[in-house]
Amino acid sequence: DGGITQSPKYLFRKEGQNVTLSCEQNLNHDAMYWYRQDPGQGLRLIYYSQIVNDFQKGDIAEGYSVSREKKESFPLTVTSAQKNPTAFYLCATARGTGELFFGEGSRLTVL
Amino acid sequence: AQRVTQPEKLLSVFKGAPVELKCNYSYSGSPELFWYVQYSRQRLQLLLRHISRESIKGFTADLNKGETSFHLKKPFAQEEDSAMYYCALRTADRGSTLGRLYFGRGTQLTVWP
Repeated sequence: DGGITQSPKYLFRKEGQNVTLSCEQNLNHDAMYWYRQDPGQGLRLIYYSQIVNDFQKGDIAEGYSVSREKKESFPLTVTSAQKNPTAFYLCATARGTGELFFGEGSRLTVL
Repeated sequence: AQRVTQPEKLLSVFKGAPVELKCNYSYSGSPELFWYVQYSRQRLQLLLRHISRESIKGFTADLNKGETSFHLKKPFAQEEDSAMYYCALRTADRGSTLGRLYFGRGTQLTVWP
């Protein structure tokens, strides 16, 4: 079954802990993106990667980190430096047409 | 700076009525505009793009460069159109054809029976 898989779907974290959200794709798309979705704020870009071993900061990269060691994988780490980490996180991929394909999302709650 | 504005956070219409979701953008380059839709409990997905100039599920959107707008329209709304709609602007990065997308804040459309 082709697509984008995000895990976990729900995650709880204590303040001060780092947490890593997984995003895996088997669509063979070069580009991958991480967005944060908050009510009333739309989607804001955290990080994106156009090719393996390369990535760029988006608009709200502070407190987050990523890696792109494989084409299929683009994990996002939410560090303790992120001041307001409770949110819904969306991973997406893109093909040459520019169309984005989204995962189902991961909801992170900081207790 | 690039920006996408969706002035209506919420929009409600009755079934069979026309609907228009507004989108304005700010970009100095050549814009590429999209509408994405998120139905309840489903993934965000592409609805249509201005380049293809097609009608999807009865929706159309015309790029008006003079007014920097890309409003989404449907002449007769249906209950199944109830969803969150996002307008998005694609900009090109140097050395890359894929670029990145800037999203508006979204409009929640509710179609009443």
